[in-house]
Parts: sequence; C-alpha cells; structure tokens
Amino acid sequence: AQSVAQPEDQVNVAEGNPLTVKCTYSVSGNPYLFWYVQYPNRGLQFLLKYITGDNLVKGSYGFEAEFNKSQTSFHLKKPSALVSDSALYFCAVRYAGNNRKLIWGLGTSLAVNP
Amino acid sequence: EAQVTQNPRYLITVTGKKLTVTCSQNMNHEYMSWYRQDPGLGLRQIYYSMNVEVTDKGDVPEGYKVSRKEKRNFPLILESPSPNQTSLYFCASSLSSGGLNSGSYNEQFFGPGTRLTVL
Repeated sequence: AQSVAQPEDQVNVAEGNPLTVKCTYSVSGNPYLFWYVQYPNRGLQFLLKYITGDNLVKGSYGFEAEFNKSQTSFHLKKPSALVSDSALYFCAVRYAGNNRKLIWGLGTSLAVNP
Repeated sequence: EAQVTQNPRYLITVTGKKLTVTCSQNMNHEYMSWYRQDPGLGLRQIYYSMNVEVTDKGDVPEGYKVSRKEKRNFPLILESPSPNQTSLYFCASSLSSGGLNSGSYNEQFFGPGTRLTVL
C-alpha cells in the first residue's frame, strides 16, 4: 500500500541549532515529494518539492530537503532554526500511478525554543 | 494577490441544518480540492475537481456534496450535517496540465480554513 510516514509527532530544537523533520514513503514508481507548513490558525503553505534531478532541493524560508531513494526518505532540514519556524509540517507524496491526489503524512509539530 | 478564499471562516450550526462553505480562487487553476483536518488523522481529502463539471470522490466523501459550475468556485455542501463532521476544512487549488500521468507535480495553494462545529 502507498503510504507516507512522519515518525515524530513533535520535534523540539533550540533557536540557532539545525533542525530535521523526517519523512519516509512507500510508493510504487517514481514519487513526487512535497513539504508543506501550517502556521497556527493558517492554511497550509507550500515549502518545496522534489520531482526529478538534484536530490537536494531548496525551498522557501531557508528550508531544504534531501531525496534519498535507497532509504525512501525526504527529510526536511534547516541549518539554523528560528522561533518563527515553529509550526506544523506535512510531508506528502504523489506517485506515478495516480495523478489526482496526494498521500499525506500526519504532520510533525516543530517547536523552536528561544 | 493570488489567493484561495473560503467563507465562512468559523461556523457553529446544529445537526441537520444544511450549510455551504464557499471556496474561490483567482489563479485560473483547473484543479480544486476539499480537505478536512482532524487531530491525529492529518489531512483527508473529501472531494476534488479536475476542471469545470468534473468532480470525483476523495477518501472521505460521505455526507458531503460539491459542484464545479465555474472554474474559480468549488463550494462544499453539507446537506444534513452531523456532529462527526465537526472539523477544520481546507480548500486548495493547483494548476493541472491534464492527463492521467502528467502534470501531477504542481503544488497546491490552500485557503485559510473553515472551522465548523456541528452541535
């Protein structure tokens, strides 16, 4: 079955430290991978995506993610966390067999402590 | 400003009283979708639309209806709301270049959400 897992419900990191939010997937065919962020009382916003090409993808607000095919992972990273990065982060995957919808992870709550 | 708007943002209603949540986008997107977000369950798709007059069920369509008469609008209709439809609802849109196996890499733009409580 096609699935996306975000193994950590919550991640805590100190301001200025690097952060990682993990995502692994299980799909057939070539995946299209996305990260979205949801700030409190807001809708989701697109951060970045991997379609093809360079495994390291750079996105909005200084975030980046690395596609690792052998580990079926697409972890979100940022070298230096800000308090304003505190939000809910969602990983999603669309696979070649279905054009129409995304499979969503359950989300990871990131708390950046000052 | 490119955006997806939803109305109302907050709604408290009673069981059985028909309601409509409107969604409109100004980006000329073909694809539109409705999601509900519940604690511990993440985002679940209710219905989606590939273009005008083309709609299809998502993962949790029971108790909901949609229509797509115009490209910009995609209202969500609850004919007889029940308490288990209390949730946070999001509308989203994206470009779609059509075809079953193409154009599936476009990011979605989300509305601000509608928090619905059914008593």
